[in-house]
Amino acid sequence: DADVTQTPRNRITKTGKRIMLECSQTKGHDRMYWYRQDPGLGLRLIYYSFDVKDINKGEISDGYSVSRQAQAKFSLSLESAIPNQTALYFCATSGGSVDTQYFGPGTRLTVL
Amino acid sequence: QQQVKQSPQSLIVQKGGISIINCAYENTAFDYFPWYQQFPGKGPALLIAIRPDVSEKKEGRFTISFNKSAKQFSLHIMDSQPGDSATYFCAARGYGSEKLVFGKGTKLTVNP
Repeated sequence: DADVTQTPRNRITKTGKRIMLECSQTKGHDRMYWYRQDPGLGLRLIYYSFDVKDINKGEISDGYSVSRQAQAKFSLSLESAIPNQTALYFCATSGGSVDTQYFGPGTRLTVL
Repeated sequence: QQQVKQSPQSLIVQKGGISIINCAYENTAFDYFPWYQQFPGKGPALLIAIRPDVSEKKEGRFTISFNKSAKQFSLHIMDSQPGDSATYFCAARGYGSEKLVFGKGTKLTVNP
């Protein structure tokens, strides 16, 4: 969905490096989410945010941190990347009383 | 602990056939059940969703059947087409919760 953008789209990094994945949205939604997708495991929630001042841990937050810089921007950081954090990462948004979550195109992260 | 169990993991159907994907849940507090469709290289996108006050919802060739007493719901794709080839995820969300819990996904292949 072009309304939700993620950068970078692909990233290869080394163990121990700090890395930031960024998400921006033009939908005007207040809720933003970070998910991780692994083959055969589906999508698992890492963090979610209701607004700039409200950050919540998801199912698998260990090893990750987030920052909500503005209503439209939500970043995911890996402070010290490890190989088992190799995965597809998706940002999603939702707003108001609408149930739908709108996903970005994903970032493929490889940690060597 | 997997809260939404999805089956099968993969499914191959001939063009024109019916594709059926099943999901089961344990948490009786779930009150919203969406299905997401994901094409390779893309983020998931909402396909169809249902709430437990109805037993069936149909949108075009896609139908959700919901069995509250059995705590099961399924996606039926009628007249399956090669363009339906994608990975399908069921999900569930509890009342008052912002968090979607996803199944592990089903890779559907529709042969021409």
